[in-house]
Amino acid sequence: KNEVEQSPQNLTAQEGEFITINCSYSVGISALHWLQQHPGGGIVSLFMLSSGKKKHGRLIATINIQEKHSSLHITASHPRDSAVYICAVKGISGTYKYIFGTGTRLKVLA
Amino acid sequence: DSGVTQTPKHLITATGQRVTLRCSPRSGDLSVYWYQQSLDQGLQFLIQYYNGEERAKGNILERFSAQQFPDLHSELNLSSLELGDSALYFCASSSFEGSYNEQFFGPGTRLTVL
Repeated sequence: KNEVEQSPQNLTAQEGEFITINCSYSVGISALHWLQQHPGGGIVSLFMLSSGKKKHGRLIATINIQEKHSSLHITASHPRDSAVYICAVKGISGTYKYIFGTGTRLKVLA
Repeated sequence: DSGVTQTPKHLITATGQRVTLRCSPRSGDLSVYWYQQSLDQGLQFLIQYYNGEERAKGNILERFSAQQFPDLHSELNLSSLELGDSALYFCASSSFEGSYNEQFFGPGTRLTVL
């Protein structure tokens, strides 16, 4: 079993839909990172979270440390949101180890 | 544009060879991270440097080494290359070394080993 699990692996949505991508982890962490990888390969950092909730535009990320779970929400999805979304966790202080999920491939249809 | 530059963009080489990948962090960033993304392994953390010193090591093979220079640019050296080393290699930078600092990713170097 992977230490970081994402679901779903693939997601197809219609433009305008509300999208949720989930990330569960089994290790102690100091922070969780959501990344977006475009079809061309470039990676953009979306959020870094250690608690609570963050919002940027149409993107919202939440984390529940007790349940070891994070969600990434996209409101009013658009075809330009089509990308692979990757969750990564950073180990507790002293380990600095990054562990990545396998990613969720999102396709938003016009 | 993240402000992080990586060269070269593409690299094709043969098994057994040695290559050097270069990364220039965003202006002012002290921390540099190297990642490998292969088709079968996904993204993996290789190594982190902060202000010239190694700070964290991930799944970096002994055939690979890295360093960060006084001007803060970093190089990843890959030697005795194998077919399985073919991958995208990303560099990222952040202001500081801690867990909570946002990382900015470079465009990546695509390495193909034939």
